[in-house]
Amino acid sequence: DAGITQSPRHKVTETGTPVTLRCHQTENHRYMYWYRQDPGHGLRLIHYSYGVKDTDKGEVSDGYSVSRSKTEDFLLTLESATSSQTSVYFCAISDRDRVNTGELFFGEGSRLTVL
Amino acid sequence: GDSVTQMEGPVTLSEEAFLTINCTYTATGYPSLFWYVQYPGEGLQLLLKATKADDKGSNKGFEATYRKETTSFHLEKGSVQVSDSAVYFCALSFLDTGRRALTFGSGTRLQVQP
Repeated sequence: DAGITQSPRHKVTETGTPVTLRCHQTENHRYMYWYRQDPGHGLRLIHYSYGVKDTDKGEVSDGYSVSRSKTEDFLLTLESATSSQTSVYFCAISDRDRVNTGELFFGEGSRLTVL
Repeated sequence: GDSVTQMEGPVTLSEEAFLTINCTYTATGYPSLFWYVQYPGEGLQLLLKATKADDKGSNKGFEATYRKETTSFHLEKGSVQVSDSAVYFCALSFLDTGRRALTFGSGTRLQVQP
């Protein structure tokens, strides 16, 4: 198994509070991604990173920010959580070779509930 | 923009039945196509892929053929097992460009009964 750890795995929070989800990898992979999974929508890309301090927006980036100050950590922040951000969040990683074959390795997901 | 459409589930089958999960795509150009599988409580993992028209991807008894003329990549298995119960996602990507991030379909849940 690829060494990907997401934390927290479960979180319940209230509308308007900030939330940070962490993705930590031990594979030294260059590429990291944050997706959200919602019924009827599959997985949608929020943000991605092609290296330290190199990040870009995905299709559903509004309300989210990311940071990558170290190769191994990719943080997803909800500055002011809303109920529409209740979802399961997946981190994925890939290396230079595998990204050219489309193979991503996924973490186990973080379930976020915003009340 | 690019998109992937999958048949809605759940698909419920008896063990040893034949499986087809339909997937069609809309894209500008010729993407690479993938099937990912998500077992209960886990993240997604790559099942198979095809990078050009008429390619057939296969793994663990599953197969899918890239059909450019019908923009489809249907997943098939001749004899399903209870252990195949999972959610299956079709996805596309443009691997030879900067657009490498995967675009996923909505997923199809498969339930196999003994």
